[in-house]
Amino acid sequence: DAGVTQSPTHLIKTRGQQVTLRCSPKSGHDTVSWYQQALGQGPQFIFQYYEEEERQRGNFPDRFSGHQFPNYSSELNVNALLLGDSALYLCASTLAGRGSNEKLFFGSGTQLSVL
Amino acid sequence: QQQVKQSPQSLIVQKGGISIINCAYENTAFDYFPWYQQFPGKGPALLIAIRPDVSEKKEGRFTISFNKSAKQFSLHIMDSQPGDSATYFCAASMLSPLGQNFVFGPGTRLSVLP
Repeated sequence: DAGVTQSPTHLIKTRGQQVTLRCSPKSGHDTVSWYQQALGQGPQFIFQYYEEEERQRGNFPDRFSGHQFPNYSSELNVNALLLGDSALYLCASTLAGRGSNEKLFFGSGTQLSVL
Repeated sequence: QQQVKQSPQSLIVQKGGISIINCAYENTAFDYFPWYQQFPGKGPALLIAIRPDVSEKKEGRFTISFNKSAKQFSLHIMDSQPGDSATYFCAASMLSPLGQNFVFGPGTRLSVLP
């Protein structure tokens, strides 16, 4: 049973560039959430996708956008990169429905460095 | 109100000792309190979780104690082992019509000395 997979594992970009991160949820899961984890901090909620729509959003600017595909995989896009966007980006999947959507399964993340 | 506070920032314990990590929250709408364990280079993994209708939950060497009136909860790791060395995050969430999202504490780096 494949867990949550993310690609790439590491990425180096320069300020002003755009980046796309990818995530495949755990088999059987239909809901994908994205989190940003700065060095030495806890994960911060960016947004959640369900049925190909953004369902909830955290306190992140519009430079952060996403997409969910019919196979439940998801992309996170960040435009106009800032130095402060350097972080580990985590994808987490769950299965919608009370009791099951509480158990987040995380991928190993994409480490983004903005120079 | 959406914050979850966590202490200590770091903890060093001898093998066989008890590790205790504390968290506090403000929003009484939170109804699910998980703990996550994260090893370097890996994503967080669910360790144990509790709902506010019980005061304690135990799974093996890991116990959550929950104090609803004080809005505090803690993780106790009994007989701590070097393999427990990791960063631990408490979190809180609430169910809404749009599903759940989680607020995480800043983390506690635990080192268990052999």
